[in-house]
Amino acid sequence: EVQLVESGGGLVQPGGSLRLSCAASGFTFSSYWMHWVRQAPGKGLVWVSRINSDGSSISYADSVKGRFTVSRDNAKNTLYLQMNSLRAEDTAVYFCARGQQLVPPGLDVWGPGATVTVSS
Amino acid sequence: DIQMTQSPSSLSASVGDRVTITCRASQSISTYLNWYQQKPGKAPKFLIYAASNLQSGVPSRFSASRSGTDFILTISSLQPEDFATYYCQQSYSTPHTFGQGTKLEI
Repeated sequence: EVQLVESGGGLVQPGGSLRLSCAASGFTFSSYWMHWVRQAPGKGLVWVSRINSDGSSISYADSVKGRFTVSRDNAKNTLYLQMNSLRAEDTAVYFCARGQQLVPPGLDVWGPGATVTVSS
Repeated sequence: DIQMTQSPSSLSASVGDRVTITCRASQSISTYLNWYQQKPGKAPKFLIYAASNLQSGVPSRFSASRSGTDFILTISSLQPEDFATYYCQQSYSTPHTFGQGTKLEI
């Protein structure tokens, strides 16, 4: 079964750091581009970042650029999101998602999400 | 950044109704448009890719089309399980922006 599962969420103080992981299974992880999408409480979906299959091409939303770092370990079938200098407005459920192997690509597989709360 | 504007923001309908949701891009995105369905507390579900292609396993009552920078999602006969929030997303350029969502309610 194709599956993504996020972990590493939790409560962190403003200015703190957190690293999310996304474990992939059931497909050849190293062949797919991967994305992070977040959703603040009661709000819509916001695209955060994407990384290509070998990690050589990365893109971020302006709101997280310079604070968040996406990476992947294809040997461990795992995607990461390192979040530094966290702010209250980063409070959200963070989803990892797989990009289709098509052009144009959609996000065809999603994890259940990890909750990040930034609060003192 | 490309802005995606959905309308309406919310929609009341009944089982069996035909509904349409519109998504407008702020510039040309060709067919780089996807649609998702999200239910409360759940991850989004992928419905439509490349503006009009049904993802495998999605019921045929869902369809979508494009006219220039306007994209339309149609549900031909609403079923109880279709009441959810729907999002469009452009994958033409980063950031891959989403629309603000359309909440479909009974």
